[in-house]
Amino acid sequence: SQTIHQWPATLVQPVGSPLSLECTVEGTSNPNLYWYRQAAGRGLQLLFYSVGIGQISSEVPQNLSASRPQDRQFILSSKKLLLSDSGFYLCAWGGSPYNEQFFGPGTRLTVL
Amino acid sequence: LAKTTQPISMDSYEGQEVNITCSHNNIATNDYITWYQQFPSQGPRFIIQGYKTKVTNEVASLFIPADRKSSTLSLPRVSLSDTAVYYCLVGGTAYSGAGSYQLTFGKGTKLSVIP
Repeated sequence: SQTIHQWPATLVQPVGSPLSLECTVEGTSNPNLYWYRQAAGRGLQLLFYSVGIGQISSEVPQNLSASRPQDRQFILSSKKLLLSDSGFYLCAWGGSPYNEQFFGPGTRLTVL
Repeated sequence: LAKTTQPISMDSYEGQEVNITCSHNNIATNDYITWYQQFPSQGPRFIIQGYKTKVTNEVASLFIPADRKSSTLSLPRVSLSDTAVYYCLVGGTAYSGAGSYQLTFGKGTKLSVIP
């Protein structure tokens, strides 16, 4: 069966510090991978989408970047965090976002 | 992209059937309707998807009228564990390049099941 992992589960970082969140998927090959963010009081927003190694699409302008160094590994990064980057970050795999997607446990990021 | 409108919250007693309606007046011909459930501090979980008429699975039913401008998620005999936020998404399944999804789940409908 397929499983999706994210780490860390929680993270507190100062403004201006770098960020690296990791997501890995097991039990499937060449999955479409997604990064979402859910800010406090706001909806879940799609940030990045990847159809394969090295192929990243950014869905919204932002302070973050994503990379996919391996087939089942998806990384979310930032060189300098902003207060507005705080939120709940979710990785997902599956088909189109409008089809069935499978979400990871998430990372709660607080930028102080 | 089709905009969706859902009630912000709903209350229901255990054992009752719950119907959550989503309005999507500008749904496109190739758009599907998908519902997710989300518990606090967890990622959303897929519930059901449909294109037209009625779809039923082991946890819910989805009713879509002929004009497809709305849809209703029906949860039979809810229990306390069904307390969650329910999201309605409307969109196509084809990806046409960066920025084509512009997907936001929105705030959904917060369902509270009362004992």
